[in-house]
Amino acid sequence: DAGVIQSPRHEVTEMGQEVTLRCKPISGHNSLFWYRQTMMRGLELLIYFNNNVPIDDSGMPEDRFSAKMPNASFSTLKIQPSEPRDSAVYFCASTPATSGTDNEQFFGPGTRLTVL
Amino acid sequence: DAKTTQPTSMDCAEGRAANLPCNHSTISGNEYVYWYRQIHSQGPQYIIHGLKNNETNEMASLIITEDRKSSTLILPHATLRDTAVYYCIVRVFYNAGNMLTFGGGTRLMVKP
Repeated sequence: DAGVIQSPRHEVTEMGQEVTLRCKPISGHNSLFWYRQTMMRGLELLIYFNNNVPIDDSGMPEDRFSAKMPNASFSTLKIQPSEPRDSAVYFCASTPATSGTDNEQFFGPGTRLTVL
Repeated sequence: DAKTTQPTSMDCAEGRAANLPCNHSTISGNEYVYWYRQIHSQGPQYIIHGLKNNETNEMASLIITEDRKSSTLILPHATLRDTAVYYCIVRVFYNAGNMLTFGGGTRLMVKP
């Protein structure tokens, strides 16, 4: 398996533009997580899905952020409009199980977003 | 989930054992201890987890004290590639998902 796939790996955009980050989880995994990492705040959970349904979006910073998971193999995180303070590395992770304890999260390589 | 306390940074000589401590004095009976690490410019990577028994896998060993208020991650023979930030996370397992709350972690520098 190729692991969790994220695209693009790097994104540079100007303030006010819409940004869409994409994630393909590992096949067969039924939970998907979006995290954001900055120097100031560390690694923060934004939202997670279970069986394509958003379970907890309390970490989403504000209404400019939205996430969707239209099917089991694809998720998007959208920022509209983007602001310089959104600059960060965004990670997607997936996990195979909804029960049991051997449910490690597998992280993608991340998307480094720079908003000018 | 219980809060964890880790040293900000540690050094270790290559080939020696790296012992990374974690304090979780408010841990409750149904909370597990998880360890992840993040190598520079990569996503976090799962290492090991445990409830109350010591655990070992191909990457590391996890020693949990009898009162479960602290634990130690042991990398038996550290290599330069083990240089990373190591996160100790304590959490309850939820059936609908397994959210992780990352703290500041310990920055381990393995030196030649």
